[in-house]
Amino acid sequence: TQLLEQSPQFLSIQEGENLTVYCNSSSVFSSLQWYRQEPGEGPVLLVTVVTGGEVKKLKRLTFQFGDARKDSSLHITAAQPGDTGLYLCAGAWRGDSNYQLIWGAGTKLIIKP
Amino acid sequence: NAGVTQTPKFRVLKTGQSMTLLCAQDMNHEYMYWYRQDPGMGLRLIHYSVGEGTTAKGEVPDGYNVSRLKKQNFLLGLESAAPSQTSVYFCASRASTGTVSNQPQHFGDGTRLSIL
Repeated sequence: TQLLEQSPQFLSIQEGENLTVYCNSSSVFSSLQWYRQEPGEGPVLLVTVVTGGEVKKLKRLTFQFGDARKDSSLHITAAQPGDTGLYLCAGAWRGDSNYQLIWGAGTKLIIKP
Repeated sequence: NAGVTQTPKFRVLKTGQSMTLLCAQDMNHEYMYWYRQDPGMGLRLIHYSVGEGTTAKGEVPDGYNVSRLKKQNFLLGLESAAPSQTSVYFCASRASTGTVSNQPQHFGDGTRLSIL
């Protein structure tokens, strides 16, 4: 069974602070996807990282894929209330004959104004 | 831009009742998935399909059945609902072209199901 541990599970901080969310596994993934989910909606893709050591930036969000492609992090600089939501990481892993996504449990992020 | 549409959005059932959740996508995607989402447990794969007429079991298939008679539709059935099946159910689809492992999954807005 493939596992993807995501931490922290819950984070509540003040507007303007920085934060980092982590996803860790003992398995090697072909790629790692980060999604954001708002209440009452399905997850929406933010970014996909593919290469070990890859760094991608999306405005104030920085995503990094570990060198060994077993872990990833999401760093938010100067968090804003609009960043509030559930952040999910998902690793692409080749199962029996198809690629499956292995999901982390999610980080519920609340940014207080 | 409909994308992935799930019906119904909410449903309350009594233990032992049956129902079918419908997922429809208009993106011509080959792959479709049914997940359940419970607090603190992320998304767990119930069943998936790699094309019309095919289905396969995921991580938590017991108590559920699926059918993919048309490419655009993926149905999830509960034959005899149990309180443990109270959850939020999400359908997703993805393309099979390009680099498969990089393809995002596109989700519907979920069905909130309560079993009393």
